[in-house]
Amino acid sequence: DVKVTQSSRYLVKRTGEKVFLECVQDMDHENMFWYRQDPGLGLRLIYFSYDVKMKEKGDIPEGYSVSREKKERFSLILESASTNQTSMYLCASGALYGYTFGSGTRLTVV
Amino acid sequence: GQQVMQIPQYQHVQEGEDFTTYCNSSTTLSNIQWYKQRPGGHPVFLIQLVKSGEVKKQKRLTFQFGEAKKNSSLHITATQTTDVGTYFCAGINTGTASKLTFGTGTRLQVTL
Repeated sequence: DVKVTQSSRYLVKRTGEKVFLECVQDMDHENMFWYRQDPGLGLRLIYFSYDVKMKEKGDIPEGYSVSREKKERFSLILESASTNQTSMYLCASGALYGYTFGSGTRLTVV
Repeated sequence: GQQVMQIPQYQHVQEGEDFTTYCNSSTTLSNIQWYKQRPGGHPVFLIQLVKSGEVKKQKRLTFQFGEAKKNSSLHITATQTTDVGTYFCAGINTGTASKLTFGTGTRLQVTL
């Protein structure tokens, strides 16, 4: 089974901090994705990557950046955390035949 | 941009009753996928539909893809408490490779 591992289950950060969320997959998938999940809004795509060093903006990229230096690792960066970025962040890996999600990181910005 | 809406947003049923959630896309989809997220968990892939009018079954779950490939439904027969969770549809827009757009989800509560 594909495993997608997110480095932290819970994080609390201060406003203005730079925040790194890490995601690693073990099945050599080319495609990786970052979503945020908020009540009533479903899952919204922040950024995705089709290959190493490739990235594309999703629907809500503002305030975020990403890094993909190795195929198995996709990092989400909050350049200057704000309280409206408090959310559940989900990383996914996969392709046309279904995504595998990590367990999520619940980020609280205070 | 592409929008995928689901109705209802929430449904509460008694165990043994049937349940249906509907998914509608603003654009034609190349395929549609369904996911289930248990409370406190992450979305888990259930199934993918590709062909116009396709119907697939998984035990008590029946999935349909509309003829126009813009809508889909998930029907659960005789719900059980293990069906509790949020069900998401997710579509791949024609021409956007493997980027999924998720629906807003339907939260199902089942009580005895």
